[in-house]
Amino acid sequence: DTGVSQDPRHKITKRGQNVTFRCDPISEHNRLYWYRQTLGQGPEFLTYFQNEAQLEKSRLLSDRFSAERPKGSFSTLEIQRTEQGDSAMYLCASGERGEETQYFGPGTRLLVL
Amino acid sequence: AQSVTQPDIHITVSEGASLELRCNYSYGATPYLFWYVQSPGQGLQLLLKYFSGDTLVQGIKGFEAEFKRSQSSFNLRKPSVHWSDAAEYFCAVGPNFGNEKLTFGTGTRLTIIP
Repeated sequence: DTGVSQDPRHKITKRGQNVTFRCDPISEHNRLYWYRQTLGQGPEFLTYFQNEAQLEKSRLLSDRFSAERPKGSFSTLEIQRTEQGDSAMYLCASGERGEETQYFGPGTRLLVL
Repeated sequence: AQSVTQPDIHITVSEGASLELRCNYSYGATPYLFWYVQSPGQGLQLLLKYFSGDTLVQGIKGFEAEFKRSQSSFNLRKPSVHWSDAAEYFCAVGPNFGNEKLTFGTGTRLTIIP
């Protein structure tokens, strides 16, 4: 068990560019979650997957955001036309249905200039 | 809607002193409650969790928390803090019965002085 991994750990981009983040969950976990954490705040839920199905999306997830988990394993989170307000830590977590604990990765810190 | 309040933004304690971090929640059913710790620039590590049963739960690193339904609280305690405990601590509620998200408080930053 190597834990949840995220790549990249840091990303600096210019406003208007697209960025994509990857999350690899703990191998046997069928649920995968994305959260966003801004400075001085707790994480806020964005979306989650049960296997490859995206089951819930937060209102925070504007139409510039898209998440996929095509084979029920790793997931990607893409932000199109980034804005300075997108600067945050993006956290991924995984878990198993019926076992309610979520295990978090190290996060991807995004800075939009 | 579920919510979590951590009334203390920042707490400073001396190394070796006892610690209590407060957490109050609002939830319409029996809550699942968690405490996570976050070191600077890092992800979240689970300290402990409460689902049911004994209201005093033990976690890693010598932490414990007590669920008090009458006070809607889930306070985190440690009898003697170490310098390595300096971090941000988050209380969270959920998920339960189709509501899959965790709802976090705004966190309490813990500073340890020698």
